Amino acid sequence: QVQLQQSGPGLVTPSQTLSLTCAISGDSVSSNSAAWAWIRQSPSRGLEWLGRTYYRSRWYNDYAVSVKSRITINPDTSKNQFSLQLSSVTPEDTAVYYCARDQWDQDWYFDPWGRGTLVTVSS
Amino acid sequence: QSVLTQPPSVSAAPGQKVTISCSGSSSNIGNHYVSWYQQLPGTAPKLLIYDNNKRPSGIPDRFSASKSGTSATLDITGLQTGDEADYYCGTWDYSPSAGRVFGTGTKVTVL
Repeated sequence: QVQLQQSGPGLVTPSQTLSLTCAISGDSVSSNSAAWAWIRQSPSRGLEWLGRTYYRSRWYNDYAVSVKSRITINPDTSKNQFSLQLSSVTPEDTAVYYCARDQWDQDWYFDPWGRGTLVTVSS
Repeated sequence: QSVLTQPPSVSAAPGQKVTISCSGSSSNIGNHYVSWYQQLPGTAPKLLIYDNNKRPSGIPDRFSASKSGTSATLDITGLQTGDEADYYCGTWDYSPSAGRVFGTGTKVTVL
């Protein structure tokens, strides 16, 4: 059974960088059949996919256009985890952030999800 | 800002059926499979349906879904109080703002 454990600060100062980590158990961040994603949820924006990382002979990243200039998702194979960094945050980045495994069958779907981390951007 | 439109809320009595629609376009639902997620109050979303109509193990057959053209539908039959939650559809979108997209969400209330 795959489980995702999120960690990271719940409060970030405006203009700083938001950093979260998602530790994986029951699967590998280097899996050739999955990807590892970050999704956030806020009342104003609903569920918003941020991006993902995956390994297919080499590492790839896909990022949402809305955050592409500010986002980095990195795998850490030594700890079997992946991270999210979102730079130059503003109060509009306040949201619950989820990590999730992106699975493929005939198309992609998210399963499972982490428990979520509420990140507030405020001074 | 979601590109997939769902009704804000639906409701029915226990034992009855509710249907949730998810409306998109040719750049998303029209050319991709749809997944559905259940979000119970205060929890993370949970996969309910993938590949338009497949249920993961452990999901009861009271939950079923289909897709036609640029729309998808989730049906919940034999409604239970434990089904009170928000439900979201999701898929890919290959418009200029390409990526994964979700529906606006539907709150199911058991009367």
